[in-house]
Amino acid sequence: ETGVTQTPRHLVMGMTNKKSLKCEQHLGHNAMYWYKQSAKKPLELMFVYNFKEQTENNSVPSRFSPECPNSSHLFLHLHTLQPEDSALYLCASSPQGAGGGTEAFFGQGTRLTVV
Amino acid sequence: AQKITQTQPGMFVQEKEAVTLDCTYDTSDPSYGLFWYKQPSSGEMIFLIYQGSYDQQNATEGRYSLNFQKARKSANLVISASQLGDSAMYFCAMREGETGTASKLTFGTGTRLQVTL
Repeated sequence: ETGVTQTPRHLVMGMTNKKSLKCEQHLGHNAMYWYKQSAKKPLELMFVYNFKEQTENNSVPSRFSPECPNSSHLFLHLHTLQPEDSALYLCASSPQGAGGGTEAFFGQGTRLTVV
Repeated sequence: AQKITQTQPGMFVQEKEAVTLDCTYDTSDPSYGLFWYKQPSSGEMIFLIYQGSYDQQNATEGRYSLNFQKARKSANLVISASQLGDSAMYFCAMREGETGTASKLTFGTGTRLQVTL
């Protein structure tokens, strides 16, 4: 069972819709991330949060709006998306400040289709 | 310039055989970490193995080992005694900078491994 849970697992939305992706971790991690995985492209880091503060926005369009109300929860609010935004959106968390192989733990992703 | 290069889009290996998945990287940072992840069809990225840039020995985790050649900037994953359940996408990733910072990872394009009977 993954320590990082993403909901929903699948989402189909129209270009005028507003929806939100949710990510939850109970691993005690302080850093959380959103990644986008498009077909035949490497995973792209979108946003980074450390201790609830956004520390990185990787030139992501404003139609994607992240929210991190606490260290355990991360949201990605979506509005007026484009078909090219269809992808697998992966959430991850990691223990900030823990040295060595501080790997990121990933959720199972939300498969988003924009129609 | 691409920081992580995986040149094998797909690989086949027979069950019980060993297979090497290639990864080369590019960085000017003296401190970095290299990771391998497995992504089955379910979508979850599963951490397999980690190699730090200052580690003297190659990392091993069960059937997984990392062939780290620093001068050649390569970090190949070796899977021994392949099993049918090893069929998945495999991603090499790199974190630059000191440990203790957030694990911002740069990923390669992945290699799809198919284990056959």
